[in-house]
Parts: sequence; structure tokens; C-alpha cells
Amino acid sequence: EAQVTQNPRYLITVTGKKLTVTCSQNMNHEYMSWYRQDPGLGLRQIYYSMNVEVTDKGDVPEGYKVSRKEKRNFPLILESPSPNQTSLYFCASSLYPSGGATEAFFGQGTRLTVV
Amino acid sequence: GQNIDQPTEMTATEGAIVQINCTYQTSGFNGLFWYQQHAGEAPTFLSYNVLDGLEEKGRFSSFLSRSKGYSYLLLKELQMKDSASYLCAVRRDSWGKLQFGAGTQVVVTP
Repeated sequence: EAQVTQNPRYLITVTGKKLTVTCSQNMNHEYMSWYRQDPGLGLRQIYYSMNVEVTDKGDVPEGYKVSRKEKRNFPLILESPSPNQTSLYFCASSLYPSGGATEAFFGQGTRLTVV
Repeated sequence: GQNIDQPTEMTATEGAIVQINCTYQTSGFNGLFWYQQHAGEAPTFLSYNVLDGLEEKGRFSSFLSRSKGYSYLLLKELQMKDSASYLCAVRRDSWGKLQFGAGTQVVVTP
């Protein structure tokens, strides 16, 4: 089954404790991205990756890191989480979006709480 | 600035038609997407427009006017399962920078 898998689904952590949210896709998609979703603000893009070893900042990259060492995986790293990073996070993948209806497939989301 | 505006909430009756408007002002335009998101779930793709005009897909249609920075999603023959948030998103460049509106919550009543 074609899917994007995120782990964990739920996470409560403390301020300053490094964490990683994993994302894996099995559709051989070139393009992957991370979003956070907050009430009233919608989905905001954190980082995206056009292919292995090629990443770029989205609209809200501060406090986050990513890496793309393999095509299927795109982990999101919070080196020193803070309470304002409490949010619902989505990973998404698609074929390379040079044009056309390259719909994004989303993972099931990770609800992160930083206390 | 970069703005994508949608109404916050709309209510309609089962069997009716609802039109969700989206206006955008972004630096760059390379297509507009509509996604549906049920509460607690991931967004799922509904439609895509890159040229002006209407795209129809079953009960859903989407329209785009690039000169006006305007799109709408039309939902016909509403069903209870259509109660969800509908997200308008603009792809701002060919590299995939995607910006979403805050979403429109559609409530379908019996």
C-alpha cells in the first residue's frame, strides 16, 4: 500500500530535550516536505526537499533541522524544543513538482507537546 | 505580503451546493490545490488548477482566475461525510514551495 508513515503519532517532551520525528514514504517520490498545523493558521511549510541531499527552507524553519540521506526518509529534528513548537506536524511526499497536478500524500500526523 | 484568504466556516444543508472562495496574493504562482481534511486526519487531495477556468471531478469542481487571484471550490449534492475542513494552497514556485490558507470548516446539517 502506498503510504507516508510518521513516527511517533503522539509525543510529550520537555523543553530542551532533542527529538526526531521520522517520516518514510514507499512511493519513490522525489519531493518531501514538513508542515506544522496550528489553529487559525493552517498548514505552514517548515522545510522541503527536492531530492537526496537537496533541502530548502519553507516559511517557518526556525528551530528545526532536516536531512535527506535516502530518498525514502526525511526526518524532522528539533535540537532544543520549546513550548511554541507544540503543534500538529505533517510530513508529505509527491513526485517532483516541476508542474502539473503533483498531489501531495500526507502522513497521519504527529501531535507534539513541549512542556 | 503573502496572503491566502478563505472564510473560516460555512454551513449548508445535505443535498445543497456550497461554494468556498479563496483569494491569494503571493510572490509567484505555479498552481493552486484544494485539499480536504477531516478532523484528526491527514489532508487528502481534491483538485488542481494552473490555467484559468473550471475543472470538474464528480461532485467537486474548482475554478481559477489568475488575473483576479481567485479560486473557488464547488461542492454539489452535499453529503454528511463532506463535513470537513477545505484547504486552499498555492504552489509559489517550480521547486514546490507550497503555502496554505487557514482552511474553511464546512458543516453539513441534515
